Amino acid sequence: DAGITQSPRHKVTETGTPVTLRCHQTENHRYMYWYRQDPGHGLRLIHYSYGVKDTDKGEVSDGYSVSRSKTEDFLLTLESATSSQTSVYFCAISLQGAYEQFFGPGTRLTVL
Amino acid sequence: GESVGLHLPTLSVQEGDNSIINCAYSNSASDYFIWYKQESGKGPQFIIDIRSNMDKRQGQRVTVLLNKTVKHLSLQIAATQPGDSAVYFCAETVQGAQKLVFGQGTRLTINP
Repeated sequence: DAGITQSPRHKVTETGTPVTLRCHQTENHRYMYWYRQDPGHGLRLIHYSYGVKDTDKGEVSDGYSVSRSKTEDFLLTLESATSSQTSVYFCAISLQGAYEQFFGPGTRLTVL
Repeated sequence: GESVGLHLPTLSVQEGDNSIINCAYSNSASDYFIWYKQESGKGPQFIIDIRSNMDKRQGQRVTVLLNKTVKHLSLQIAATQPGDSAVYFCAETVQGAQKLVFGQGTRLTINP
């Protein structure tokens, strides 16, 4: 699992509530990513980070924000969760100069 | 656990047969490709990669073929085993982009 953990692993919340998902890595990799996985859409990039405090948007960033205040942690926040954000969220890391990404175990989020 | 969608293309093969999983990629400028395997309840796992200057690459029981003319990628699994049951994704990127674009995936099921 390349030393990647995600927390929580499962969460049920209500529409309109804020939610923060955490990705933690133990190996000081520079690049970190957040994806969501939905039926019929595969894996879609939400946001990614290329260093501490350096982040950029992916293809489905609306409604999400991220923060990376230290190398090992990459946080994904849903400021006001909506039912359309019910999904499985995966964090991934990659080494600088390498293209392959290694994934965490995922977080299943249900927004009621 | 976390799972992939219910409406994926599905390939069913007999145990011991060879499997061929296909992927049509979208960007003619893509020059690096990866195959991932995702078992039920887990994150995607790197299987094998190939660069655009190659037509074929072999790993342990797996072979990836790349046809740039028709933007087609395939993954061949030899002597398919029950443990090969999973969803398989192809991913593409352009050198320097440090981001991957994933296909929708194919579900491989093994018949005993």
